[in-house]
Amino acid sequence: QLVLTQSPSASASLGASVKLTCTLSSGHSTYAIAWHQQQPEKGPRYLMKLSSDGGHSKGDGIPDRFSGSSSGAERYLTISSLQSEDEADYYCQTWGTGIRVFGGGTKLTVL
Amino acid sequence: EVQLVESGGGLIQPGGSLRLSCAASGFTVSSNYMNWVRQAPGKGLEWVSVIYSGGTTYYADSVKGRFTISRDSSRNTLYLQMNSLRAEDTAVYYCAREGIRGGTLDGFDYWGQGTLVTVSS
Repeated sequence: QLVLTQSPSASASLGASVKLTCTLSSGHSTYAIAWHQQQPEKGPRYLMKLSSDGGHSKGDGIPDRFSGSSSGAERYLTISSLQSEDEADYYCQTWGTGIRVFGGGTKLTVL
Repeated sequence: EVQLVESGGGLIQPGGSLRLSCAASGFTVSSNYMNWVRQAPGKGLEWVSVIYSGGTTYYADSVKGRFTISRDSSRNTLYLQMNSLRAEDTAVYYCAREGIRGGTLDGFDYWGQGTLVTVSS
């Protein structure tokens, strides 16, 4: 079964960096994922597609502060030079034949 | 500029029906994979349904047999017909385009602002 696992919460200080993790279920370690940001009271926003080799392509207008990387079944989203507007929920998402799956989301608090 | 605008949400009694619309601009709905995603109050994102450019459709188990996704090429609009609604269908419903580059999927690259559906007596 295709499942994505995320930690429920993370925190980091203003100006610092944070690395969020999304883990693919067993047998699905080669799958690409997408990262999405949802700021409070807003709809989701596409950040990037992230492949198993760490290659990533970002959405329109996404700053260079956002980057992705991969290791085995883990997919990472790194946000550097944290700003107050980065405080949001971050979801990973993947896909298979006839199915689309979201992780449970990570709530990022900027201290 | 790509834009997706949902409409049709509202308050509906359990067992009732509702049709959501998603008007697209800046691209052609029928040439893309289009999805509905929902978010219950205070919860995470849940995929609901997809329609492929060729017309094939898929549904989450939670809505299979009750919801129908469709599109109208002349209006460049995506729809979600929701029947036999239950309290647990209460959510903000988003439409989302699925990007395709070089023949491979990119994930949901554009989202609408959402429309709220409340199922309650």
